[in-house]
Amino acid sequence: DIQMTQSPSSLSASVGDRVTITCQASQDISTSLNWYQQKPGRAPQLLIYDASNLETGVPSRFSGSGSGTDFTFTISSLQPEDIATYYCQQYDDLPVRFGPGTKVDFK
Amino acid sequence: EVQLLESGGGLVKPGGSLRLSCAASGFNFTNYAMTWVRQAPGKGLEWVSLIRAFTGTTNYADSVKGRFTISRDNSKNTLFLHMNSPRAEDTAIYYCVRVRLFCKTGSCNNFDSWGQGTLVTVSS
Repeated sequence: DIQMTQSPSSLSASVGDRVTITCQASQDISTSLNWYQQKPGRAPQLLIYDASNLETGVPSRFSGSGSGTDFTFTISSLQPEDIATYYCQQYDDLPVRFGPGTKVDFK
Repeated sequence: EVQLLESGGGLVKPGGSLRLSCAASGFNFTNYAMTWVRQAPGKGLEWVSLIRAFTGTTNYADSVKGRFTISRDNSKNTLFLHMNSPRAEDTAIYYCVRVRLFCKTGSCNNFDSWGQGTLVTVSS
């Protein structure tokens, strides 16, 4: 099974800050990686697919990059509505596996 | 608008059984693979099971294999998860999720639409 790690597990930032989250796969998954946002009490929402493609309707301050085993998710300018937990997810092989999540809140 | 509405959650005793349903609307259900993802209280996301669109073939996480069964009724646009012999560690919110395999960029594989979830509590 492919294992996923994320760092940090949590972070605090201010409005307007640049926020970066990293995700690492235990083996090469090419660009078979998606990013999801989950706000408290809500279902997750797809933000980025195939490592770097922005889902329709998602603000352009969100972006993703990477391939192979190392991936990065960035919020270019943190907004109040971005407070959430962010998960990476690999689909290169079954079982589909999510990273443990990164909780983003305000300082 | 894509809508996925789960039902059937609740309290179930260990070793009992429960059937979750997911009513789909707003898209051609027959053409989409569907999956269940769960989230234990205060924990992260765990993929549970997948059923493909045309072949109906299924896959399961090791944690539920042999106990849970995913199925679909395309005539009723409904997805099911039959939970047999549930354990305390199966306590979670269960999300019904659509699997998208074609994107504007070409082939892809992502969970693009989620229901609001149904809570299953396994306890005596």
